[in-house]
Amino acid sequence: DQQVKQNSPSLSVQEGRISILNCDYTNSMFDYFLWYKKYPAEGPTFLISISSIKDKNEDGRFTVFLNKSAKHLSLHIVPSQPGDSAVYFCAASAFSGGGADGLTFGKGTHLIIQP
Amino acid sequence: DSGVTQTPKHLITATGQRVTLRCSPRSGDLSVYWYQQSLDQGLQFLIHYYNGEERAKGNILERFSAQQFPDLHSELNLSSLELGDSALYFCASSGTSKETQYFGPGTRLLVL
Repeated sequence: DQQVKQNSPSLSVQEGRISILNCDYTNSMFDYFLWYKKYPAEGPTFLISISSIKDKNEDGRFTVFLNKSAKHLSLHIVPSQPGDSAVYFCAASAFSGGGADGLTFGKGTHLIIQP
Repeated sequence: DSGVTQTPKHLITATGQRVTLRCSPRSGDLSVYWYQQSLDQGLQFLIHYYNGEERAKGNILERFSAQQFPDLHSELNLSSLELGDSALYFCASSGTSKETQYFGPGTRLLVL
């Protein structure tokens, strides 16, 4: 049972445009969400996070939106740059439960930024 | 550079063998997590140690074990290896279990 789902295995976006990556979750105990970026042969790199008490968090070109009622979050990258080409993972945790149980990851979306 | 180090970077071994993967967390971090990334399963949580004590287990096989030492580095021991254990193994660390996890570069294990 996949508790965190990224339904788009890949996404192609033109340089300078907005990239929108989506993530859905099923476990209502999740209250902290993160996005990681991963290049081949490297570990995941933390990008941005959001607590369930918020519906939006921004950091530079990256904004994460959380819709708790729909159990949906999205990552917006504006403007998209060639260096953004990577696999993006959505992850979730139950921090209010202590957060000890690690992160639950989606299977990733491969973002390709085209010049 | 996340500050988390993992050795070795690559490991090739045979079925039935035992290997040890090592992780050094970021300076000051007390929590160490291990994850496995395989082609079909994605990134899966294996086990969490906090300040030397096991805190939580995920999808970790009985053939696998881990420990965290007084200097806070951690080792993941994989025994009776099978072809299906070939995967990337990542370690992550955080200050506490309620803080963001930072990942190491991983160890790529190939079982032949």
